[in-house]
Amino acid sequence: QVQLVESGGGVVQPGRSLRLSCVASAFTFSNYVMHWVRQAPGKGLEWVAVISYDGNNQYYADSVKGRFTISRDNSKNTLYLQMNSLRAEDTAVYYCARHRDSTSWYSSLDSWGQGTLVTVSS
Amino acid sequence: EIVMTQSPATLSVSPGERATLSCRASQSVSSNFAWYQQKPGQAPRLLIYGASTRATGIPARFSGSGSGTEFTLTISSLQSEDFAVYYCQQYNNWPPWTFGQGTKVEIK
Repeated sequence: QVQLVESGGGVVQPGRSLRLSCVASAFTFSNYVMHWVRQAPGKGLEWVAVISYDGNNQYYADSVKGRFTISRDNSKNTLYLQMNSLRAEDTAVYYCARHRDSTSWYSSLDSWGQGTLVTVSS
Repeated sequence: EIVMTQSPATLSVSPGERATLSCRASQSVSSNFAWYQQKPGQAPRLLIYGASTRATGIPARFSGSGSGTEFTLTISSLQSEDFAVYYCQQYNNWPPWTFGQGTKVEIK
């Protein structure tokens, strides 16, 4: 059974940094495109970033471009999100999610972690 | 950026009744379209992909239809476990991958 487990969330002051991790198991992690999606308290889903199966291609939402960096270590089955210059509006639950189709960029997200809460507050 | 607009924002339905949720894309997304279900305190769950294909383990009472810019999720006979928030998503024109704002299905 596919499992994704996020960690690294917490309370951080505006302007500071935080790194989230997502450990994958029960599938060949290195074959799949991976995403980060966030959800502010009481709000809807917002796509944040995506990385190709080999880590060579990344795309970002305009709201985080230049501040967040998505990366992966396929030897450790782990996805990362480095978040710098954090703002109050970055407060959200952050989910990692897997592309359903390992052979195409045109794919829905079929497996999600339980999420990790990031709170940006002074 | 493609904007996804869901309607209604809230749908009040009695158990056993049919529920019909709509999603409109600001431009064509072909059939590169999905529906997700999210219950309080839980991660989203993929229900439908390719506009009409049920994901693994999804009951047959869930069905999706549409293509281009207009999509529908139908729950044929609502069960207690179906009361949740439902999101649509397009994955045809990216980045960004975009979600609708959600439809809450509540007990009438």
